[in-house]
Amino acid sequence: KQEVTQIPAALSVPEGENLVLNCSFTDSAIYNLQWFRQDPGKGLTSLLLIQSSQREQTSGRLNASLDKSSGRSTLYIAASQPGDSATYLCAVRPGGYNKLIFGAGTRLAVHP
Amino acid sequence: GAGVSQSPSNKVTEKGKDVELRCDPISGHTALYWYRQRLGQGLEFLIYFQGNSAPDKSGLPSDRFSAERTGESVSTLTIQRTQQEDSAVYLCASSLSVLEKLFFGSGTQLSVL
Repeated sequence: KQEVTQIPAALSVPEGENLVLNCSFTDSAIYNLQWFRQDPGKGLTSLLLIQSSQREQTSGRLNASLDKSSGRSTLYIAASQPGDSATYLCAVRPGGYNKLIFGAGTRLAVHP
Repeated sequence: GAGVSQSPSNKVTEKGKDVELRCDPISGHTALYWYRQRLGQGLEFLIYFQGNSAPDKSGLPSDRFSAERTGESVSTLTIQRTQQEDSAVYLCASSLSVLEKLFFGSGTQLSVL
C-alpha cells in the first residue's frame, strides 16, 4: 500500500530564506508526483507535476526534484515571501491506479 | 469554464438528512475526482470518474455515499442519512487525462448538526 509522508509538518521562517520541503513515498512504482499548495478555506492549487521519467521541474522560484528509486521528492522555494505562507501537499499517482495519494502536508509560515 | 466550480460552498444540515454536492469540472476534462478533507487531516480519496464511468469507487466510506456524472461533465455526490462524522470539506478535481495535472475546486464545507 502506497504511503506518502511529508516532513516537516510545520515550518516557520523569516522572509528571504531559501527552504526545502520533503516528501517520501513507500512504493517507487509511480506514474508521477504533484506538488500543491492549499490556502485556508480554499481548494488546492497545482504547483508542479513531475512525470516518473523526469528528475525535476521548475516554475519561477519553485523547483521540485524526484528520486523515484529512493522514494523521495523535494520542493525548493527560493527567496521565500510572506505570500508563500500556505500548506504544501505532495501527492503521488501509483502505477496502475488512477487516484492521487496525498501526504498530510507541510504548513509553512513566512514572516516579514 | 475557467476553473472547477463546486456548489454549494457551505452546507449545514441536520443528522439524518440527505445532501447533494455538485461539481462542474473544467470543460473538456475527462477525469473527475472527489476527495474529502476532515478538519486538520489530509485528503481522503472517495471516487474517480473517467467520462461518465466510475472505475474506482474504492474510497466511498459506506453505501450512504454515491456519485454520478452525466454528459462527461457535471458530477453529483450524494450522501444519504448524514451523520456527524460526514462533516468535512468535500473537494472535486478534474484533469485532461489521468496522467495530467489535477485542478481542484474550492470545495463544499459540509456541517452535520
